[in-house]
Amino acid sequence: GENVEQHPSTLSVQEGDSAVIKCTYSDSASNYFPWYKQELGKRPQLIIDIRSNVGEKKDQRIAVTLNKTAKHFSLHITETQPEDSAVYFCAASKRSDSWGKLQFGAGTQVVVTP
Amino acid sequence: NAGVTQTPKFQVLKTGQSMTLQCAQDMNHNSMYWYRQDPGMGLRLIYYSASEGTTDKGEVPNGYNVSRLNKREFSLRLESAAPSQTSVYFCASSDTGAPGNTIYFGEGSWLTVV
Repeated sequence: GENVEQHPSTLSVQEGDSAVIKCTYSDSASNYFPWYKQELGKRPQLIIDIRSNVGEKKDQRIAVTLNKTAKHFSLHITETQPEDSAVYFCAASKRSDSWGKLQFGAGTQVVVTP
Repeated sequence: NAGVTQTPKFQVLKTGQSMTLQCAQDMNHNSMYWYRQDPGMGLRLIYYSASEGTTDKGEVPNGYNVSRLNKREFSLRLESAAPSQTSVYFCASSDTGAPGNTIYFGEGSWLTVV
């Protein structure tokens, strides 16, 4: 089955700096890669996603890049703000799954210090 | 429009007791899911229901049963709770099970088994 590894497990950045989280996946058939943000005590919420036919997607200060050859994808947050502090999860799923099975990474705790 | 609602939010059980986590969505979604979240392990799928009347096992189904009562409701039952089932449980739903459909999570249920 699919295995998603996520690094780093914790990331501390100064406000205004950039943050990068990397994930690798094992199943070359995976073709959908969402990122979820979870604030302390809250539910995970989708912040951005990318499909395998696209190499990069951007939404304001966040962007995701995908390298299908190397089987890794990354989340980039620019000009970080204190409200970006949260746990971020990457996930992967594939077209052949008849249902929305997401294989999640273990998460990255991002702390933005003012 | 409340989205995905799950109850109870907090529960303490004794080993061997049973309980049911209730979940309802008001987005007319076809697919519903139960995940558990443990520290350092991301979210793991327990059971899912691709559509009303169908259920299937996810990654960690042992010790759990589910019922898709109707299109709106999907319950998770612990027949004989064990300390290893201490976790945060999230119900979720999506329009369909096809990859690429956003999965929306409930607020979570904190379960402690002593």
